[in-house]
Amino acid sequence: NAGVTQTPKFQVLKTGQSMTLQCAQDMNHNSMYWYRQDPGMGLRLIYYSASEGTTDKGEVPNGYNVSRLNKREFSLRLESAAPSQTSVYFCASSETGRRNQPQHFGDGTRLSIL
Amino acid sequence: SQQGEEDPQALSIQEGENATMNCSYKTSINNLQWYRQNSGRGLVHLILIRSNEREKHSGRLRVTLDTSKKSSSLLITASRAADTASYFCATDEGGDMRFGAGTRLTVKP
Repeated sequence: NAGVTQTPKFQVLKTGQSMTLQCAQDMNHNSMYWYRQDPGMGLRLIYYSASEGTTDKGEVPNGYNVSRLNKREFSLRLESAAPSQTSVYFCASSETGRRNQPQHFGDGTRLSIL
Repeated sequence: SQQGEEDPQALSIQEGENATMNCSYKTSINNLQWYRQNSGRGLVHLILIRSNEREKHSGRLRVTLDTSKKSSSLLITASRAADTASYFCATDEGGDMRFGAGTRLTVKP
């Protein structure tokens, strides 16, 4: 049971570079999420997808784009990385399209932008 | 913005003792959830309590919810070293789950 798989686990970028974070789930879940976790703060929602082909902005979407490629995969793209985007990024999924249901998380991507 | 706020920020206890963490929130909710995060790992869902429930149990975990005080508590009984982790409450606000900054629990063997 892989659950939610995120790649890569670690990445260092220079300011202005672009990058795509990959996420895949094998639980046949409908909803997928991208969060960022910064020290001393709770997780903040970047984008959400209730189903294939649909995406919605969360609390902190600026500087990010997402693609729900199919039911399994949900990618997060940084077009022009900035030091303020240094963070740990978590992908999560939940069974239904309702956003307040229990979520299953990947182990995160630790991203540093110099 | 954070919805739930945990208290204390950090807690250190001896193995075998009970650990209590609290969560306060500001607006009305449909449900409140607790998650655990081990160092370097993702969050793991522990328990969900609905707004019409007052108490819920799962193994050594006991969660209470007081909607009149807009607060919840998580009790871990007979703690073990393996319970060392950060614990987060999450509340639904406008449909999205909002996570607090967490309580860092250290259980000393």
